[in-house]
Amino acid sequence: NAGVTQTPKFRILKIGQSMTLQCAQDMNHNYMYWYRQDPGMGLKLIYYSVGAGITDKGEVPNGYNVSRSTTEDFPLRLELAAPSQTSVYFCASSYYRGELFFGEGSRLTVL
Amino acid sequence: AQKITQTQPGMFVQEKEAVTLDCTYDTSDQSYGLFWYKQPSSGEMIFLIYQGSYDEQNATEGRYSLNFQKARKSANLVISASQLGDSAMYFCAMREPGNQFYFGTGTSLTVIP
Repeated sequence: NAGVTQTPKFRILKIGQSMTLQCAQDMNHNYMYWYRQDPGMGLKLIYYSVGAGITDKGEVPNGYNVSRSTTEDFPLRLELAAPSQTSVYFCASSYYRGELFFGEGSRLTVL
Repeated sequence: AQKITQTQPGMFVQEKEAVTLDCTYDTSDQSYGLFWYKQPSSGEMIFLIYQGSYDEQNATEGRYSLNFQKARKSANLVISASQLGDSAMYFCAMREPGNQFYFGTGTSLTVIP
């Protein structure tokens, strides 16, 4: 029962470095999402995808990029990491009109 | 404008008592969904309950019920018979027709023995 799998769980980056957060789901969900969670701010939508090959910006897309080459995978790319990107990142998936299934989260610190 | 508003940053409840967590939403769509998630200190997001905008009856799931007042655009979560394990952050969320989900800032619930 894998569900939504995110890697890595923890990462420390230096300012200006780049990295990719991996996300995979095995539920054949068309919809996938990336959120960031900052203390006291709830979850903010970064990017989402309605299917393979289709992605769109959410509320806070600046500094991030995504791709969706398969139904299963939805990686989030951080280019030129900044301290403002220190956060907990959640990947999630859903079928149409269903609830969100979340990964366990990835804690990223940019120093 | 905020799509989801949770005005209670923190709440306390005595064990075995009921508690209501407030949530108001803002949308001009007729078709939408309302959700509540629980986030314990371990960090995972746990789905609790769902209410569709066309559902006439309030949703219930065990000790959780959703008090849906469409005209007031509110979707409050009621937890009955609180348990120590209910201590967590609770997030209200709305799904819009495009299947985008928006979250509130959360309410931290502490259950007192």
